[in-house]
Amino acid sequence: DIQMTQSPSSLSASVGERVSITCRASQSISRSLNWYQQKPGKAPKLLIYAASTLRSGVPSRFTGSGFETEFTLTISSLQPEDFSTYYCLQTFSTPWTFGQGTKVEIK
Amino acid sequence: EVQLVESGGGLVQPGRSLRLSCAGSGFTFGEYALTWFRQAPGKGLEWVGFIRSKAYGGTTEYAASVKGRFSISRDDSNSLAYLQMNSLKTEDTAVYYCTRDYPYDYIWGTSRYISQYFDYWGQGTLVTVSS
Repeated sequence: DIQMTQSPSSLSASVGERVSITCRASQSISRSLNWYQQKPGKAPKLLIYAASTLRSGVPSRFTGSGFETEFTLTISSLQPEDFSTYYCLQTFSTPWTFGQGTKVEIK
Repeated sequence: EVQLVESGGGLVQPGRSLRLSCAGSGFTFGEYALTWFRQAPGKGLEWVGFIRSKAYGGTTEYAASVKGRFSISRDDSNSLAYLQMNSLKTEDTAVYYCTRDYPYDYIWGTSRYISQYFDYWGQGTLVTVSS
């Protein structure tokens, strides 16, 4: 199974700050990596797929980068509605596996 | 508008069975694979399994933690998918989500890859396994 190691597990940041979240895969997954945002009590929402393709309607302050084993989600200027938990998900091979999640909190 | 709505969750004793339903609307249900995920209280997300569309054989795959106990089926004529859960364990307690599986392909190096993302999720249904 492919293990996804996501870091940090949590971070505190202010509105307007730039934040980055990293996912490392235990083996190459090419670009088969999605990023999701989840708010408490709600279903996850897709932000990015294929490592760097922004889903239609998602603000351009979200960017994804990386390939093979190292991937990054960057929020260029944190907005109040971005305080959530973020997960990466590899769909290169089953079992599809998530990172442990990163909770982004208000400083 | 694409919608997925899960139902059938509730409290069940260990060892018993439960069937969850997922009703789709706003898209051609039969053309898509459907995937189930779950999330234990206060924990992260876990893939449970999926069912391919009939065009791809309608075959299924499952996570090791549920293989042999859970099964996924579909009724395209009624835009429904099901997650049959047998021999439930306390560790199966979670919110269960049904999702639409959207395929895409990309070229990386000299190879073409087919992958997927999950663009629409249901609201989730809570399954509590407890005596």
